[in-house]
Parts: sequence; structure tokens; C-alpha cells
Amino acid sequence: EPEVTQTPSHQVTQMGQEVILRCVPISNHLYFYWYRQILGQKVEFLVSFYNNEISEKSEIFDDQFSVERPDGSNFTLKIRSTKLEDSAMYFCASSGEFGSEQYFGPGTRLTVT
Amino acid sequence: QQPVQSPQAVILREGEDAVINCSSSKALYSVHWYRQKHGEAPVFLMILLKGGEQKGHDKISASFNEKKQQSSLYLTASQLSYSGTYFCGTEIGRDDKIIFGKGTRLHILP
Repeated sequence: EPEVTQTPSHQVTQMGQEVILRCVPISNHLYFYWYRQILGQKVEFLVSFYNNEISEKSEIFDDQFSVERPDGSNFTLKIRSTKLEDSAMYFCASSGEFGSEQYFGPGTRLTVT
Repeated sequence: QQPVQSPQAVILREGEDAVINCSSSKALYSVHWYRQKHGEAPVFLMILLKGGEQKGHDKISASFNEKKQQSSLYLTASQLSYSGTYFCGTEIGRDDKIIFGKGTRLHILP
């Protein structure tokens, strides 16, 4: 069964450093998403991406964040200058249609020290 | 606007039933239900769309009251594997983002 994959599974970085989280969505999906989940809390929408551009973004997704689909398979989330409060689990998801079921990857646990 | 889920937590014995509710103060286009086990990614359970269309797993049932902007997820004859946190997510419009509630923690005892 096709699945969304994410790398790395755990990333530790120092405050102020840049990090890139990588995702490979399901191959025939067209809509891609990033979510964040602080430990023990709800899943928070960050951004949606379609046709090589951002469809929608939340208030969390400020100028420190950017997304890119550098090739036909990868979808990346970059945090330019990490803060302590960026520590969370970051999930990538993809769907075949906007608003249809989303398939989540296993997540990248980001720890900012 | 974040949907409100109730109850916050439920403890059941295997075989018992549970209902998890999700309500919004805004008119909804759709409600999504996901289950997340500890340390894992959320897994899709069901979508309920305005107008009555539903899509999801056969063993899961849910309802969507469009007038009240409420959805309920029905878990019958619960199994140990049903344990986890259940999130509802709501969309205001067809191309809108999904906003998730805080979740309902379900624990099934043998």
C-alpha cells in the first residue's frame, strides 16, 4: 500500500539554525500539507500546497517557514531560524483531491535546544 | 474556529460502545475524523460532507447534523485496537484548510 514517508525521523538542532524536513507524498497525489503537533496537543495546520504554490497557510506559518517541491517526488518544509517553541512533531500529508482523505506520514520529531 | 470535541476522555471495557462528538460554531462544508495512537501519525477514519455524502472505513459509523453543525462518531463493540486519540477536523468551505479539535482520548480496558 502506498504511503507517505518523512525524513529524518528525529532532528535535533540548535536555536537559530536552519532545518529542512523532507517528505515524499504518495505518488499520484496532488495536494500536500504540513501540520505540527506539540507534544500532547492537537494537530495544527501549517500550510497546503498545490500546483507548485501555497494554497493556504495558517498564522503559525510566518516568514521563517517555507515549502518547496524541488522535484517530482519530494516536498520540503524549511524553518529558517529555529526557535525553542518550534520543537514539535511535524507531519506531512497528501491527498488526491483537496478536502478528501489525507494520508499522514510518520512525522519528524524536531527538537530545538 | 476550532471545533469542540466531547468528551475529552473516555475509558471503556472491551465490547462497550462510545460516542464522540464534535461541534462547530460555524457552518461547515465537511467533518473529518482521524485516530492517532501514541507516537504515531493520525490515520483517516471518515469524511462527512455537507449534503450527506460519506466516505470512510466500513467498520466506522458517524453522523453529521448540518443544521446544528455537529458530528458524532460511533464506536460499537469496542476492541482494544480502538484505543487512541480521536480528532475531528472541520472545513468551512470546499477548498478550506482542516482545523482539528483538541481530541478525545479513548482507552479500552480488557
